[in-house]
Amino acid sequence: AQSVTQLGSHVSVSEGALVLLRCNYSSSVPPYLFWYVQYPNQGLQLLLKYTTGATLVKGINGFEAEFKKSETSFHLTKPSAHMSDAAEYFCAVSGPSNQFYFGTGTSLTVIP
Amino acid sequence: KAGVTQTPRYLIKTRGQQVTLSCSPISGHRSVSWYQQTPGQGLQFLFEYFSETQRNKGNFPGRFSGRQFSNSRSEMNVSTLELGDSALYLCASSLPPGLASGTDTQYFGPGTRLTVL
Repeated sequence: AQSVTQLGSHVSVSEGALVLLRCNYSSSVPPYLFWYVQYPNQGLQLLLKYTTGATLVKGINGFEAEFKKSETSFHLTKPSAHMSDAAEYFCAVSGPSNQFYFGTGTSLTVIP
Repeated sequence: KAGVTQTPRYLIKTRGQQVTLSCSPISGHRSVSWYQQTPGQGLQFLFEYFSETQRNKGNFPGRFSGRQFSNSRSEMNVSTLELGDSALYLCASSLPPGLASGTDTQYFGPGTRLTVL
């Protein structure tokens, strides 16, 4: 069975500071992992995904995530936060039946 | 290429009524999934359709149903609406399953905001 846990429902960072959003997964098969961002009153936009190959994945808007199998983690990072990064972030894992399982989301606040 | 479109964007209904939401996937995408998003429960999977057949189903009562047409457009229906059905309903589309199922990225529409009074 697949599941995702996002640690911290709310994260606040200062503008220019490191962004770290945590995601741990559980999967009975090799996982395919995703990070999505949701801005107010909008749908989800794909930030990045890991399927196979390189464990450090680069996405849009300067975000990246590293797949660590030994830690069952897929944390999202960005070296320097921007005001426009304020949004809700969702980690997801997909299973063999193409069904996606989402975490409960992390709301990121960027303080000027 | 146009993204996933959902209609209507906003909807207000009263308890006991029924509602139909529509989703048009990205051109060429044949899989459509539906999710319910609420502040308390987060994103919950409703069902997925591929080639007009329901492939996966979440843990929702039978009041929630869906279908997919030959052009891959999908509709979901909620009958006998309850106050707790108030939510953002998101539709996502993806390409046909590849050799390694599960790698198909889901692309989301803007959602339909349903309010039940």
